Amino acid sequence: QKEVEQDPGPLSVPEGAIVSLNCTYSNSAFQYFMWYRQYSRKGPELLMYTYSSGNKEDGRFTAQVDKSSKYISLFIRDSQPSDSATYLCAFPRGPARQLTFGSGTQLTVLP
Amino acid sequence: KAGVTQTPRYLIKTRGQQVTLSCSPISGHRSVSWYQQTPGQGLQFLFEYFSETQRNKGNFPGRFSGRQFSNSRSEMNVSTLELGDSALYLCASSLRQGAYEQYFGPGTRLTVT
Repeated sequence: QKEVEQDPGPLSVPEGAIVSLNCTYSNSAFQYFMWYRQYSRKGPELLMYTYSSGNKEDGRFTAQVDKSSKYISLFIRDSQPSDSATYLCAFPRGPARQLTFGSGTQLTVLP
Repeated sequence: KAGVTQTPRYLIKTRGQQVTLSCSPISGHRSVSWYQQTPGQGLQFLFEYFSETQRNKGNFPGRFSGRQFSNSRSEMNVSTLELGDSALYLCASSLRQGAYEQYFGPGTRLTVT
């Protein structure tokens, strides 16, 4: 079993839709939860990170963590064509905070 | 502030050759990590350098090595290239070892023929 499972997509939504991106994890040692966005031909960009169960908002983005179910989500409200990218969940561990990534969900927001 | 820079951006090598990739972290950042990204395996941690010392290593063969210089710049070397080494190699820098915020460069796309 993989440590991290991420809905593979691809996901295609109309502009303005609410998008839900999801990951499950099996390693109880994961205590921090991160979301990265990667545009084509670019490196991943950190969107949000949190360490507690519950919701954390940042503008149109909300990260949700349920530690009891080992399930994390990223919601994007009022999605824009500029949100079209691959979204990766990531879990840092160890003293180097080395990241274990999900496989990524490719999102396309249609104008 | 300039971001993480990686050179070269694209590289084509032949099986059996070796390659060196370079990463310049954000000014003031002292920790550099390297990741390999492939369609099949996704993003995988290679190793991390801090204060010119390799602090952590992922599950990759010894053909993958690296080093860090006193100015925090880092290089990664792959010897005896195999077709399966074709990937996007990403460098990430952070202010210090243990910092959660890691900033990625654009990557070096290596193609092995």
